[in-house]
Amino acid sequence: AQKVTQAQTEISVVEKEDVTLDCVYETRDTTYYLFWYKQPPSGELVFLIRRNSFDEQNEISGRYSWNFQKSTSSFNFTITASQVVDSAVYFCALSDSSYNTDKLIFGTGTRLQVFP
Amino acid sequence: NAGVTQTPKFRVLKTGQSMTLLCAQDMNHEYMYWYRQDPGMGLRLIHYSVGEGTTAKGEVPDGYNVSRLKKQNFLLGLESAAPSQTSVYFCASRPALNTEAFFGQGTRLTVV
Repeated sequence: AQKVTQAQTEISVVEKEDVTLDCVYETRDTTYYLFWYKQPPSGELVFLIRRNSFDEQNEISGRYSWNFQKSTSSFNFTITASQVVDSAVYFCALSDSSYNTDKLIFGTGTRLQVFP
Repeated sequence: NAGVTQTPKFRVLKTGQSMTLLCAQDMNHEYMYWYRQDPGMGLRLIHYSVGEGTTAKGEVPDGYNVSRLKKQNFLLGLESAAPSQTSVYFCASRPALNTEAFFGQGTRLTVV
């Protein structure tokens, strides 16, 4: 069955610290996609990244970087030099075609609080 | 650009009442989803649709029904609301398999 685990419920850091949000997934498929979304205090869900199962290269976008490791079924998200505006709930999600469906399954989220 | 629009944004229901949440997307997306968000539980999939006229159950479908009579609309119905259905409901759509999902602004539903 599909499953996404975000074991860190809440993380608090001081501005300019680096922080890593963990995501571990389970799937039977060999082809699947992983996503990260941000939910700021205003409540909307903002797409951050999509990564397919065949591309294990790390990705960097500004202060954000993602580390995908199939060997450990993990897709971790690192924010470098965190800022107060990074305070949000972050969700990791998995999409695959197990059982001929197209579910998009989310983890329980990690709440990040960045203090000035 | 409207994107994904949810109606209503807020609602208070009494136990046993029924209501329908409307999700409309103007991006001609095939796939549509309904999620509920509860503290500590993340986003849980209620029902989804892979095309007009089709629906399927997600992780937590009990107490809900859905319909996708038109490609652009995905309706979520509560036949007899219960306090356990107090939640924030999000609708999402995406154009094809494994693509990015676009979310509505959410509907905050309280059942008293």
